[in-house]
Amino acid sequence: AQSVAQPEDQVNVAEGNPLTVKCTYSVSGNPYLFWYVQYPNRGLQFLLKYITGDNLVKGSYGFEAEFNKSQTSFHLKKPSALVSDSALYFCAVRDMSNYQLIWGAGTKLIIKP
Amino acid sequence: EAGVAQSPRYKIIEKRQSVAFWCNPISGHATLYWYQQILGQGPKLLIQFQNNGVVDDSQLPKDRFSAERLKGVDSTLKIQPAKLEDSAVYLCASSTREDSHYNEQFFGPGTRLTVL
Repeated sequence: AQSVAQPEDQVNVAEGNPLTVKCTYSVSGNPYLFWYVQYPNRGLQFLLKYITGDNLVKGSYGFEAEFNKSQTSFHLKKPSALVSDSALYFCAVRDMSNYQLIWGAGTKLIIKP
Repeated sequence: EAGVAQSPRYKIIEKRQSVAFWCNPISGHATLYWYQQILGQGPKLLIQFQNNGVVDDSQLPKDRFSAERLKGVDSTLKIQPAKLEDSAVYLCASSTREDSHYNEQFFGPGTRLTVL
């Protein structure tokens, strides 16, 4: 079955430390992969996407993500966390065999000063 | 560039009442989506429009939910009658191209619906 897993409900990181928010997926076709962020009382904002090409993609606000086909993962990373990065992060995967967009349940990222 | 506009931002109704949400996408965006986001979950697609035609409404509870995008621009989503389990945030999103599978979506701020 098609699915997207964000295995951590919450990630806590100290300001200035590197952060990783994990995403793994299971789809039948080639995936298009997306990360979105949701700040309190606001809609989702696009961060970055992988369509094809270089496995490391860079996005907004200093975030990047690495596509790993063998591990079916697309983890979100940032070298140095800011308090303002605290938000809810969603991974989404489009299965190109049927074009369905599948969303993860979200990971709450908390950056402590 | 103005973003996706939604109204109202908050709505509280009694069960069995009806409610309508409005969305105005980014100018020129052909594709419009309505999502339901229940607390603690990812967004669930309710309906996708391409211009004024429906592309996907497979997860829309058609016995109580309806949506339209008459002129291919703004859209309304209606619930009639509402149930307690409809309490959620309703998100509208739009994207640029007809071949929108690899394009990111731009989201509005959402409407938080509480059904009592």
